[in-house]
Amino acid sequence: QSALTQPPSASGSPGQSVTISCTGTSSDVGSHRYVSWYQQHPGKAPKLMIYEVSKRPSGVPDRFSGSKSGNTASLTVSGLQAEDEADYYCSSDAGSNNWVFGGGTKLTVL
Amino acid sequence: EVRLVESGGGLVQPGGSLRLSCAASGFTFSSFWMSWVRRAPGKGLAWVANINQDGREKYYVDSVKGRFTISRDNAENSLYLQMNSLRVEDTAVYYCARGRPDYMDAWGRGTTVTVSS
Repeated sequence: QSALTQPPSASGSPGQSVTISCTGTSSDVGSHRYVSWYQQHPGKAPKLMIYEVSKRPSGVPDRFSGSKSGNTASLTVSGLQAEDEADYYCSSDAGSNNWVFGGGTKLTVL
Repeated sequence: EVRLVESGGGLVQPGGSLRLSCAASGFTFSSFWMSWVRRAPGKGLAWVANINQDGREKYYVDSVKGRFTISRDNAENSLYLQMNSLRVEDTAVYYCARGRPDYMDAWGRGTTVTVSS
């Protein structure tokens, strides 16, 4: 159950778009539709931003979008805003009732 | 309002035990899978365990199998995590979450577990 691979950091200026990658294997990201993304501000509880690769829960701005190609999932934040500065984590079904998270990406809004 | 409040964290020596609790309110607790997720210092989130609605299905990450036990009391709207044989590497903030990792739409603020001599 190895963690999914995310870049440790990403950044962009207000209004720009940023994409965060999440690379797994054919046993997790590559073979399951249950890829999710969570946002966590310092000292706060995580928040679900994307589920089933590209679906947004009610209340999540459409500036957040998700996609997947092969063993890599991606989260794109468009029209960056100051409040988007946070840690972002991907997670994936790894089969056999196992779940794996990524190491997290710290998004900085310049 | 959906609310999850964890408790029971603290400082414990290696080999010791702790029981975490999560009090749920604002939703029909018995209708949802529930999970425990942790975040070790300087590291990312990690799934620990989850349990189905009636408590008959329980799943664990390999590193805690045989040491941790997840349980629930639907009458009390509570989720538990019994942690035995604790190791230094179990040090983390432990979060209670509604759902399984594919869709955890409500989280508590977490309770801190420190395993140290």
